Amino acid sequence: EAQVTQNPRYLITVTGKKLTVTCSQNMNHEYMSWYRQDPGLGLRQIYYSMNVEVTDKGDVPEGYKVSRKEKRNFPLILESPSPNQTSLYFCASSNSGANVLTFGAGSRLTVL
Amino acid sequence: GENVEQHPSTLSVQEGDSAVIKCTYSDSASNYFPWYKQELGKRPQLIIDIRSNVGEKKDQRIAVTLNKTAKHFSLHITETQPEDSAVYFCAASAGFGDMRFGAGTRLTVKP
Repeated sequence: EAQVTQNPRYLITVTGKKLTVTCSQNMNHEYMSWYRQDPGLGLRQIYYSMNVEVTDKGDVPEGYKVSRKEKRNFPLILESPSPNQTSLYFCASSNSGANVLTFGAGSRLTVL
Repeated sequence: GENVEQHPSTLSVQEGDSAVIKCTYSDSASNYFPWYKQELGKRPQLIIDIRSNVGEKKDQRIAVTLNKTAKHFSLHITETQPEDSAVYFCAASAGFGDMRFGAGTRLTVKP
């Protein structure tokens, strides 16, 4: 089944404790992206990647890192999480930068 | 960069009525305009999209119109049903990866 898989789905952590949210797609998509969803703010883009080893900042990249070493994986790294990074995170992929996005199920992160 | 504004933020209609959600965008280079539906607790899913070389697109009860000159596009849902209740997001992209979403519209269809 074609899908985008995110892990973990739920995580409660403390300020400053490094964490990684993994994202993997099995559709051979070139484009992958991370969004955070907050009430009243919609989906805001954090980082995106047009292909392997190519990443670019979105609207809200501060406090996040990404890497794209393989086509299928696009992990989101929070080196030193802070409470303002408490949010619902979605990974998405597409076969190009302007095409239908397939979203993962979301990862709800709480930083205390 | 692109800025997408979406209105209204909430919309309540009676079952069977029509619903219209409007979005404006700022980047004249944007050429792809999708609409996503997000049901409670679920992931966003595409319901319809339109490209800049087309002015209108329809899929059963859903239609999208695009006015490139005015830089706005709209989602029209006719004969609304309770299962249409969800949050709807518009988005715009120029094809370089920076797809921007509107803030969302919470649609409630009352039986």
